[in-house]
Amino acid sequence: EADIYQTPRYLVIGTGKKITLECSQTMGHDKMYWYQQDPGMELHLIHYSYGVNSTEKGDLSSESTVSRIRTEHFPLTLESARPSHTSQYLCASSGNRGGTYNEQFFGPGTRLTVL
Amino acid sequence: RKEVEQDPGPFNVPEGATVAFNCTYSNSASQSFFWYRQDCRKEPKLLMSVYSSGNEDGRFTAQLNRASQYISLLIRDSKLSDSATYLCVASNAGNNRKLIWGLGTSLAVNP
Repeated sequence: EADIYQTPRYLVIGTGKKITLECSQTMGHDKMYWYQQDPGMELHLIHYSYGVNSTEKGDLSSESTVSRIRTEHFPLTLESARPSHTSQYLCASSGNRGGTYNEQFFGPGTRLTVL
Repeated sequence: RKEVEQDPGPFNVPEGATVAFNCTYSNSASQSFFWYRQDCRKEPKLLMSVYSSGNEDGRFTAQLNRASQYISLLIRDSKLSDSATYLCVASNAGNNRKLIWGLGTSLAVNP
């Protein structure tokens, strides 16, 4: 089992609220990722980080922001939530282990509903 | 054309059947390949990394054909619990730290 955690698991909030989705991993992985996925649809990469103080936008434009102050922690923030942000947000991490293949391990996800 | 393409299915098979999923990738520079399994409304979980020589893990066999840019997953003696979506994944060619995800193939194993 991967040691990557996300909180909250479920969040229902009103429009205009600021929210932060937490993601932590205890595997010492240098790379971390945020994906967005709607039910039955594909994964979309929205942010990634290759190490502390390194963050990049992903392939899908997102109004969210991220920070990477500590290796183990990669929070995602929405300054003003809107109904269009309703989705599942999945955090993942990966790290080189014995010269392997950059496989990513996922947290359980946060299911966000904005009313 | 998507960089990683899969037959979306659904595949409906009886218990005990053998089922094969195919996947093609467009960029010949991709170096790492994986199969993930995703249950409904859950996170993807790594099923297998795909090695160049092909690899087997119990009832699951993965094969890579670099010349044809083709990856396959074979499931033998399928179980009800194998019902899920199977995602084919290739590393980003320019930078192997990002992954390119297929849309997934849906499998339903029926009693």
